[in-house]
Amino acid sequence: DAGVIQSPRHEVTEMGQEVTLRCKPISGHNSLFWYRQTMMRGLELLIYFNNNVPIDDSGMPEDRFSAKMPNASFSTLKIQPSEPRDSAVYFCASTRSGSYNEQFFGPGTRLTVL
Amino acid sequence: AQSVTQLDSQVPVFEEAPVELRCNYSSSVSVYLFWYVQYPNQGLQLLLKYLSGSTLVKGINGFEAEFNKSQTSFHLRKPSVHISDTAEYFCAVSENNQGGKLIFGQGTELSVKP
Repeated sequence: DAGVIQSPRHEVTEMGQEVTLRCKPISGHNSLFWYRQTMMRGLELLIYFNNNVPIDDSGMPEDRFSAKMPNASFSTLKIQPSEPRDSAVYFCASTRSGSYNEQFFGPGTRLTVL
Repeated sequence: AQSVTQLDSQVPVFEEAPVELRCNYSSSVSVYLFWYVQYPNQGLQLLLKYLSGSTLVKGINGFEAEFNKSQTSFHLRKPSVHISDTAEYFCAVSENNQGGKLIFGQGTELSVKP
């Protein structure tokens, strides 16, 4: 199994630009999670999906952030417009119902907004 | 509401010494408990998990953890650490009706010195 795949691994952009982060969960997993990690705030859950449906987006910091899961094998996290304070590592994780909530993490996307 | 507290943000230790990383949680229902490890510039990997049964759980790389329901704790231990154990360690809790959602602690940075 290839594990959770995230792209790009690194992204450098300028303030005001749109950023799209991508995630492919493990095949057969039906829950997907987006996290943000910073030194100041640690690991924060932004949003999670169950069977492609957003269940809890209370962690999304503001309207500039949006996430979609058009099918079981793909999800995007979009920031528009981006700001320097969005600089962080963004992780995607997936799990399968009945797996006692063990989440499998991707390698992360390191985002730098200048 | 669920919460997880990792009592030490940083734990420095010498190689071959024992180590304990502390984790306390709060929940009003039965929980599943996890320890994840994050090596530099990588995603999180599962070390071990408690679902039910024996309160002493063994994981990868010689780590173990003990679930103590009365003290609501799930401390991680290793009798003899290696330089390669230097990483950040996260404790996480999940209620079994949360659709896969995990609540993470703030992390403990383990630094093993020669």
